[in-house]
Amino acid sequence: QSALTQPASVSGSPGQSITISCTGTSSDVGSYNLVSWYQQHPGKAPKLMIYEGSKRPSGVSNRFSGSKSGNTASLTISGLQAEDEADYYCCSYAGSSTPWVFGGGTKLTVL
Amino acid sequence: EVQLVESGGGLVQPGGSLRLSCAASGFTFSSYSMNWVRQAPGKGLEWVSYISSSSTTINYADSVKGRFTISRDNAKNSLYLQMNTLRAEDTAVYYCARESVTTVTNWGQGTLVTVSS
Repeated sequence: QSALTQPASVSGSPGQSITISCTGTSSDVGSYNLVSWYQQHPGKAPKLMIYEGSKRPSGVSNRFSGSKSGNTASLTISGLQAEDEADYYCCSYAGSSTPWVFGGGTKLTVL
Repeated sequence: EVQLVESGGGLVQPGGSLRLSCAASGFTFSSYSMNWVRQAPGKGLEWVSYISSSSTTINYADSVKGRFTISRDNAKNSLYLQMNTLRAEDTAVYYCARESVTTVTNWGQGTLVTVSS
C-alpha cells in the first residue's frame, strides 16, 4: 500500500485561506468516505482535526473543513492564525488487511 | 479523559528485540480496536499494526510482518508491541492509537526506539 500524496509545504498569511490536497487511489480515498486529517506540532502527538472526510471533532475550530472529490481529499483552513503553523497529515481507510494509509505530510507555514 | 501512555522504547542493536507497552485509561479499553503507528525522525506517519477489541483480527504493515507481534490484555487495559530482528529503518517514535471504527481518534505521546550499533 503506497502512501497518499500531499504537497510537501504550503504557506499563507494570517487571515488568508489555504488548501492542502491528499491524493490516493480507487483502493483507498476513492473507495471510502473515511479520510481523516491530523495536525502535528513539533515534538507533539498528532491531533485529529477532521474525520469521515468533513466532520469536525468537538473542540476543533470551524475554520477547519474537509472535502473529497474522486481520489483526492482536501483540507481547507480559513482565517489562518499563527497557531495553525504545523504539519498536517491525511489518512484514509484502505481495506481490512491494511486498514490505514497516511499521506507524507504537509508543512504549513504562516507567514 | 482518554489517556494513552507508551513505554519500553530505547536504544537497541540491529537484530535485537524490544517490547513496547501502552497503558490506556479514561475509556473502556476492551471496547476499542487499537493501532501502533510510527514516525521516523523528520519523516511522516506510518501505520504499523492493528488489533481488534477482542484480538480476533490482527494486521501488520508489510515492512514489519513476521518480525513484530501486536497483542493486548484487556484485563490490564494494556496494548503491546513485541519487536524482533530490529533494523536501522525501524528507528522511530512509536505511537499507540485508539480507533473508533471510522478513524484513529486518540494518540499517546509516543516512545522513541533507536536501532543502532
